[in-house]
Amino acid sequence: KAGVTQTPRYLIKTRGQQVTLSCSPISGHRSVSWYQQTPGQGLQFLFEYFSETQRNKGNFPGRFSGRQFSNSRSEMNVSTLELGDSALYLCASSQQGAEKLFFGSGTQLSVL
Amino acid sequence: KQEVTQIPAALSVPEGENLVLNCSFTDSAIYNLQWFRQDPGKGLTSLLLIQSSQREQTSGRLNASLDKSSGRSTLYIAASQPGDSATYLCAASGTYKYIFGTGTRLKVLA
Repeated sequence: KAGVTQTPRYLIKTRGQQVTLSCSPISGHRSVSWYQQTPGQGLQFLFEYFSETQRNKGNFPGRFSGRQFSNSRSEMNVSTLELGDSALYLCASSQQGAEKLFFGSGTQLSVL
Repeated sequence: KQEVTQIPAALSVPEGENLVLNCSFTDSAIYNLQWFRQDPGKGLTSLLLIQSSQREQTSGRLNASLDKSSGRSTLYIAASQPGDSATYLCAASGTYKYIFGTGTRLKVLA
């Protein structure tokens, strides 16, 4: 069974640009959540989707958005990138949302 | 607002030692608590999940306990090995999200 797949693995962008990250969950998992990991703040929750509906959202500005498709694949978008957005973005999937999480390897975003 | 704290932040031990990692949380109204392992530059791997109605879970050399009333969880690693070197994170579940601690960076010396 394939694990959680995140693409791309690395991204380099400049300030003001926008970026889209992709996450394919484990087959059969309907919940996808996104986390931002930085050395200073640790892992912080961005949002969670289940059956194309956002059920919870973390304390991030509106520049951070996401969506989930009917096949449970999810994307997150960051517009007007800032230097502070440089981080490892992790996607996790689970069957319903409140049980064992399976993480992807993450997308390392560098904003110059 | 849920806050999760892990102590110590870093730990270095000789191979073969038994060790305990600590996790505390401020809101006892959790659905479950998970312990994860993260290797440098990688994603997280779930080690143990303890449901709110459970007191402990075991997997191989790992044992995790949960005391909701005191807001504490511990991860016990028996007979540590160099391959156990990684960052260990605990996470308390809320409504469709997890709140993570900042982790304990463990180094097991051969």
